[in-house]
Amino acid sequence: AQSVAQPEDQVNVAEGNPLTVKCTYSVSGNPYLFWYVQYPNRGLQVLLKYITGDNLVKGSYGFEAEFNKSQTSFHLKKPSALVSDSALYFCALTNAGKSTFGDGTTLTVKP
Amino acid sequence: DGGITQSPKYLFRKEGQNVTLSCEQNLNHDAMYWYRQDPGQGLRLIYYSQIVNDFQKGDIAEGYSVSREKKESFPLTVTSAQKNPTAFYLCARPASGPPLHFGNGTRLTVT
Repeated sequence: AQSVAQPEDQVNVAEGNPLTVKCTYSVSGNPYLFWYVQYPNRGLQVLLKYITGDNLVKGSYGFEAEFNKSQTSFHLKKPSALVSDSALYFCALTNAGKSTFGDGTTLTVKP
Repeated sequence: DGGITQSPKYLFRKEGQNVTLSCEQNLNHDAMYWYRQDPGQGLRLIYYSQIVNDFQKGDIAEGYSVSREKKESFPLTVTSAQKNPTAFYLCARPASGPPLHFGNGTRLTVT
């Protein structure tokens, strides 16, 4: 069985501060890992993905994530948060054609 | 919307009525997926289809039915047997491999 955990329901940061949204996973084999972002009443959009290669993955809008195999983590980071980054973020993994999503973390960036 | 169109955006029904949600794709992909999203619970797979005239149950298929008569269409019927039908429903297709591309969703409210 595979699983994804996002330990924080909510993350609050001030604009201009760095942000981290945490994700850990459990799977047999080598997963593909993703971060998706969702705005209200919209579908999910891919923010970044780890397939293979460099452990540090850079994505859209200045976001990045580091794949850490020993800690089975894939935390989402951004050096300087913007108010427009406020949204719902999902970590997900795909393995053997099956996709599993975390429960989501609501990021709120305050001016 | 990643080539996936869902309609309608909002849907209201009375308890005991069946309702069908539309999902159309214009990119000739074989695979299509239906997910249900509830607050704080992430996405849960209802049904998926890898090819025309074939589909498989996901993790929460009870109370739902699908058809795949055409490659471009994968409608989902929420039947009166679904105990808690009020939710946000998302249709998705894979890119050429992962990740998934999602439609903008249908918010179903049953009273």
